[in-house]
Amino acid sequence: DVKVTQSSRYLVKRTGEKVFLECVQDMDHENMFWYRQDPGLGLRLIYFSYDVKMKEKGDIPEGYSVSREKKERFSLILESASTNQTSMYLCASSGATSYEQYFGPGTRLTVT
Amino acid sequence: AQSVTQPDIHITVSEGASLELRCNYSYGATPYLFWYVQSPGQGLQLLLKYFSGDTLVQGIKGFEAEFKRSQSSFNLRKPSVQWSDDADYFCAVGVYTGNQFYFGTGTSLTVIP
Repeated sequence: DVKVTQSSRYLVKRTGEKVFLECVQDMDHENMFWYRQDPGLGLRLIYFSYDVKMKEKGDIPEGYSVSREKKERFSLILESASTNQTSMYLCASSGATSYEQYFGPGTRLTVT
Repeated sequence: AQSVTQPDIHITVSEGASLELRCNYSYGATPYLFWYVQSPGQGLQLLLKYFSGDTLVQGIKGFEAEFKRSQSSFNLRKPSVQWSDDADYFCAVGVYTGNQFYFGTGTSLTVIP
């Protein structure tokens, strides 16, 4: 079974802090994704990566950056957390041609 | 532009009743279509997918979905819901470039005894 893990289930940070969310997948998938999920808005793509050191902006990249130094690991970085970044963050991965995405359990981030 | 519409924000059904969740999409080519389920506080689990071929696809947990090209729809069905089906359901369209997904806003299902 594909396993996607995220470093924290719950996280509380203060405004202005730098925040790192880590995601690891164990299926040698080429593609990895970061979404945020908000009530009534569904899932929105922040960034994705189709290869090591490669990244592409999604629909809402402002205020975020990403890092993919190893194939299995994809990090989301909030350079200076703000209260409007309080949300559920979901990581996903997929193979190069398999299309279906496999999701981690999510990190619920609260910025106070 | 690609988009996915789930017109029902919330549905309540009785245990044992049948279920149909609606999904309409807008995409220029034949899409890859998916349904995911999300239990409270959890990530998304793939229920089923349509790539090509038979337009009626079977998934896990007794769910099925039918692709209707003429209606740009991919509705999810289950003949008899269980209490454990109480969850949020998301329809998604996959596009070829970068394997990106476009998600609907979800339908929240409540199952009552």
